[in-house]
Amino acid sequence: SQQGEEDPQALSIQEGENATMNCSYKTSINNLQWYRQNSGRGLVHLILIRSNEREKHSGRLRVTLDTSKKSSSLLITASRAADTASYFCATVSGGSNYKLTFGKGTLLTVNP
Amino acid sequence: GAVVSQHPSRVICKSGTSVKIECRSLDFQATTMFWYRQFPKKSLMLMATSNEGSKATYEQGVEKDKFLINHASLTLSTLTVTSAHPEDSSFYICSARARGVWDNQPQHFGDGTRLSIL
Repeated sequence: SQQGEEDPQALSIQEGENATMNCSYKTSINNLQWYRQNSGRGLVHLILIRSNEREKHSGRLRVTLDTSKKSSSLLITASRAADTASYFCATVSGGSNYKLTFGKGTLLTVNP
Repeated sequence: GAVVSQHPSRVICKSGTSVKIECRSLDFQATTMFWYRQFPKKSLMLMATSNEGSKATYEQGVEKDKFLINHASLTLSTLTVTSAHPEDSSFYICSARARGVWDNQPQHFGDGTRLSIL
């Protein structure tokens, strides 16, 4: 069943602007992960944040996690046309045999 | 590192044909592989979890006789769509977890297989 719910479903911005995507989930988690999917391709892992972490950075990516609100955000700074893709959050819960439960995704379009 | 190869990338075949999709971990041993199905502009739906040397665990609503999964080695899992029909047309993606890693590790995904049944 779907756990994560991304918001917004679609986002269109200009190159150089920042893009923020949000994800909410329902049950307790071990970690939350963000993946990117280019059209017609597989998923690329971007960043993993553990349940005891609040913020994590990787290059132009910044992820926050608020376990009290069961939500996470992904910020892409100084966006580029190559960042155009769908972005999914996915959660891993305890005792789940490491299964990922994906949200519905945000389609990000970065216009040159 | 951690490359997962999925083959074929695209299949077009007639209704009633059985189709096999391979998922290989190229540079690591994968004790667990996952098979997902994705509809256009939708999220990934987990179909089954495949553990090396044991029977796959299917998610609720997924027909195990329709979608046969074999994980015979630490580097290969296969998904066979038996007697495929147009409603089986979809994008199928596999992923793998490396042997010995704990919860806080990402999964590594293949590039997906676009299955079109005529």
